[in-house]
Amino acid sequence: GAVVSQHPSRVICKSGTSVKIECRSLDFQATTMFWYRQFPKQSLMLMATSNEGSKATYEQGVEKDKFLINHASLTLSTLTVTSAHPEDSSFYICSAGLPRSSGAEAFFGQGTRLTVV
Amino acid sequence: DAKTTQPNSMESNEEEPVHLPCNHSTISGTDYIHWYRQLPSQGPEYVIHGLTSNVNNRMASLAIAEDRKSSTLILHRATLRDAAVYYCILRDLYNQGGKLIFGQGTELSVKP
Repeated sequence: GAVVSQHPSRVICKSGTSVKIECRSLDFQATTMFWYRQFPKQSLMLMATSNEGSKATYEQGVEKDKFLINHASLTLSTLTVTSAHPEDSSFYICSAGLPRSSGAEAFFGQGTRLTVV
Repeated sequence: DAKTTQPNSMESNEEEPVHLPCNHSTISGTDYIHWYRQLPSQGPEYVIHGLTSNVNNRMASLAIAEDRKSSTLILHRATLRDAAVYYCILRDLYNQGGKLIFGQGTELSVKP
């Protein structure tokens, strides 16, 4: 099946620095990708929808200036956590949307564990 | 997207069948029923989906009630590797972009 790859799988950064997470669709083109955040013992929370060639759509309550999303090609979306703080420590997961069909399955990356110290 | 309700947790014994229920009483006619599972420290993975008829694949079976207000994910023989959080999600046929909204899911533990 289709594969979505995230990099890095885990990262530790200092408070105040920025961290970039990459999400790649390896064997298909994804015009839409989704970014989720998951805190321990909680469910996935959708942060934003990344659209190739246009601006991302952010969910209510998600700061667009803090979580910068770039979807420059049909196979790559990046999430940059700017000026990271300890409360941004979380598990970040991307998924790629297949063609607009609710019958189609979604594919997820393996996740990125971000720890801000 | 319509909401789903699942038990917070369930237990199973290894090599026994597991029936994971999901209630979706406000489902609309264009909602597909999707199931995903998430193993510890991993991204979710697709399990199965259906619209009206029961579905089978190599991982599981999906039984959908006739009124579509509930469904059951069936793992025919649970293994230790099936221990995960299972999410039942409704996805509208006309859902622009195909985003998935996750509920709390059911945490399945499998005892040897």
